Amino acid sequence: QSALTQPASVSGSPGQSITISCTGTSSDVGGDYNYVSWYQQHPGKAPKLMIYDVSKRPSGVSSRFSGSKSGNTASLTISGLQAEDKGDYYCSSYSSSSIRWVFGGGTKLTVL
Amino acid sequence: EVQLVESGGGLIQPGGSLRLSCAASGFIFTSYSMNWVRQAPGKGLEWVSYINSGSSSIKYADSVKGRFTISRDNAKNSLYLQMNSLSAEDTAVYYCAREGAGSCIDPWGQGTLVTVSS
Repeated sequence: QSALTQPASVSGSPGQSITISCTGTSSDVGGDYNYVSWYQQHPGKAPKLMIYDVSKRPSGVSSRFSGSKSGNTASLTISGLQAEDKGDYYCSSYSSSSIRWVFGGGTKLTVL
Repeated sequence: EVQLVESGGGLIQPGGSLRLSCAASGFIFTSYSMNWVRQAPGKGLEWVSYINSGSSSIKYADSVKGRFTISRDNAKNSLYLQMNSLSAEDTAVYYCAREGAGSCIDPWGQGTLVTVSS
């Protein structure tokens, strides 16, 4: 059960945009179910849902966060980077294999 | 307000057993599938187990299959994880999490720490 592949770290300056990629397979990210989600996590806290169903934003999440998918790769874009956006970001996808959910290894976002 | 509160974590010796509980409130528990997700210290998230609303569908990660058992008591609005034959590799914060209409895992509890060490 391989994890989805994310870059270990990304960084950007306030006001810039960054994109985090999440690569899976045709059994998960690239499958028929568009159940890709993104979570933000701060130290010692539970993950917070930022994007679900590839590109939908839960109520209360800033419109600066957006998601997309192409083939087996999903992406999270944060525009107008703010200091509060720093933290770890994880992608997740429903898997049509014997398991249910698969997570990416996480990406540490640094706001310079 | 949806609340998920885990309990039962602690320090356990290798080879030992532990039962985690998750008390759910603020939503109709019987209508939702539930999951356990863990996070080893300094590591990423790892999905552990899934159970649907009626307990008729249960799934496990390969890393815990045969050792962990997920269950739920809908009358008590509670989710459980029985963990046997624990090893150091099972040391992690264990999160109870609801499935959102089958399309994502949300929300999450605050987590309970399980430490396997002699």
